[in-house]
Amino acid sequence: DAGVTQSPTHLIKTRGQQVTLRCSPKSGHDTVSWYQQALGQGPQFIFQYYEEEERQRGNFPDRFSGHQFPNYSSELNVNALLLGDSALYLCASSLLQTNGNTIYFGEGSWLTVV
Amino acid sequence: DAKTTQPTSMDCAEGRAANLPCNHSTISGNEYVYWYRQIHSQGPQYIIHGLKNNETNEMASLIITEDRKSSTLILPHATLRDTAVYYCIVRGPSTGANNLFFGTGTRLTVIP
Repeated sequence: DAGVTQSPTHLIKTRGQQVTLRCSPKSGHDTVSWYQQALGQGPQFIFQYYEEEERQRGNFPDRFSGHQFPNYSSELNVNALLLGDSALYLCASSLLQTNGNTIYFGEGSWLTVV
Repeated sequence: DAKTTQPTSMDCAEGRAANLPCNHSTISGNEYVYWYRQIHSQGPQYIIHGLKNNETNEMASLIITEDRKSSTLILPHATLRDTAVYYCIVRGPSTGANNLFFGTGTRLTVIP
């Protein structure tokens, strides 16, 4: 158990709708990142949050947004859902340290867009 | 960050050592080598990481060549539960704290 908690585990949404996914990092960690993993592919970095601010962003459109709360938990929001947004969404947590730190992943949230 | 090259798939007999290679010929001196694995439909599981020296923990050993251009992950006694996709990732200070670049990985199948 990596200690990273995500919810919900599975959900189904309709095209055009909005979705919010939640993540609680491992105890003691202050940095949260989100990844998208399409079927058959490796995880792709969406963005990273530290001190309640987005610090780094991958190649994802503005429909993907996030938030980090004072207790370090985080939300991923996706607006105007497309069929191609169907994927496993992963949360990763660590202590902010640029090199050599250990990053732990949650079990993910499976999103199906119909 | 340096990119990595891994074989697409490997088989290993149950109870034998599984040796998973990874090439990272463009690695920089301050970049670490990380290994994760992902069992079907689950989140990536951290295995081990290292910079220069060989590392060992309760899950595996990581052998890094002296020139650091390649490494090998060793699972000493593979079990059926080790069947998974194994990712070798190189990460350095130019990367954000949690930004890992996952390639295609090696699909390890442990055979009874």
